[in-house]
Amino acid sequence: QQQVKQSPQSLIVQKGGISIINCAYENTAFDYFPWYQQFPGKGPALLIAIRPDVSEKKEGRFTISFNKSAKQFSLHIMDSQPGDSATYFCAASKKEYGNKLVFGAGTILRVKS
Amino acid sequence: NAGVTQTPKFRVLKTGQSMTLLCAQDMNHEYMYWYRQDPGMGLRLIHYSVGEGTTAKGEVPDGYNVSRLKKQNFLLGLESAAPSQTSVYFCASSYSVLIDTQYFGPGTRLTVL
Repeated sequence: QQQVKQSPQSLIVQKGGISIINCAYENTAFDYFPWYQQFPGKGPALLIAIRPDVSEKKEGRFTISFNKSAKQFSLHIMDSQPGDSATYFCAASKKEYGNKLVFGAGTILRVKS
Repeated sequence: NAGVTQTPKFRVLKTGQSMTLLCAQDMNHEYMYWYRQDPGMGLRLIHYSVGEGTTAKGEVPDGYNVSRLKKQNFLLGLESAAPSQTSVYFCASSYSVLIDTQYFGPGTRLTVL
């Protein structure tokens, strides 16, 4: 049973546009919600993360929006660039569970120039 | 620092053969993880370790064994490989329960014929 559901599976955005990827989780005990970025042939790398005590976190062009009551969080990429083309994974974990990450299925983002 | 390294990068096995994947980290991290990545399924946790000499099962542990004899190394073993174990395997590490960021290795692509 997938505890973190991610959508869409794939996304095509024009250069300069906004990319939005959504995730929903089931376990209300999760207390850490990271987004990972993965380029072909590479391992995932942490992009940005949020904890449930805040509703939004911004780092450069990347923003996480978090809705605790709806058990949803999303990644917004502003001014999307061709270099942002990658696979993005949302995830969730809880310290008491050994920080084990539960990943969404991933979103393949393509930014057209 | 090399970060997280994995050996080998690629491997082809025949059904029933055994092999060991090696993960090494030079960041003095306490926690280490093994994930497998399959298309459309994100990354799924196989086994993890919260310290030298400790191991625990993750979401999909069947058919795999692990050992953490040294803090910097985490070995993943396949005793009798099956085609269903064809996947890309990623190792990750994190500093401790207090610092959540997991750092991933470059992956091992395993094909079982």
